[in-house]
Amino acid sequence: GAVVSQHPSRVICKSGTSVKIECRSLDFQATTMFWYRQFPKKSLMLMATSNEGSKATYEQGVEKDKFLINHASLTLSTLTVTSAHPEDSSFYICSASADRVSDTQYFGPGTRLTVL
Amino acid sequence: AQSVAQPEDQVNVAEGNPLTVKCTYSVSGNPYLFWYVQYPNRGLQFLLKYITGDNLVKGSYGFEAEFNKSQTSFHLKKPSALVSDSALYFCAVRLNNAGNNRKLIWGLGTSLAVNP
Repeated sequence: GAVVSQHPSRVICKSGTSVKIECRSLDFQATTMFWYRQFPKKSLMLMATSNEGSKATYEQGVEKDKFLINHASLTLSTLTVTSAHPEDSSFYICSASADRVSDTQYFGPGTRLTVL
Repeated sequence: AQSVAQPEDQVNVAEGNPLTVKCTYSVSGNPYLFWYVQYPNRGLQFLLKYITGDNLVKGSYGFEAEFNKSQTSFHLKKPSALVSDSALYFCAVRLNNAGNNRKLIWGLGTSLAVNP
């Protein structure tokens, strides 16, 4: 149980294009989904928290107009990197939580974004 | 400032020996504490958590962790390490109060290498 998928697993795009990453909870309903960015050999950086049907809460320093997050249903959240630039190249990871008490987060396998 | 510390970037241990990965935290109130593991090129996997009750928590793959309130620590342990335990380990803390948008505070990770 508690499986989270991400698609695509790897994407290469040209500078200036937009990329959409999907995060799905496959066997549970996620009241909250989180989007992280992970740099090589570094810890996770929380980008935003999204609750189904409401606007995402972005962390300080994360541009909401550049990283668009939609949480349209209890099993799907999307992250769109708009007008991507090489500095946006990173490993993006989503997590989902259905546990209102302790908030155990279950993670997707991640998406490697490379912007040329 | 609220924070989680993993004082060791790298831990090396021989297969069959006990292992410890350290975690200390500095948060107000009574936190929820988590350990996650990230295997190479894979997403994070939940290992165990402490919410309340018995200070010794048992988790996946034979791992356990002990909550020590006086020392504000939550060290991860395993009696006998396996080569397959080699991975990146993250400690995380969630604040147990309302209005914190349910996010986790993450340590920087500890790379565990188990040598045959």
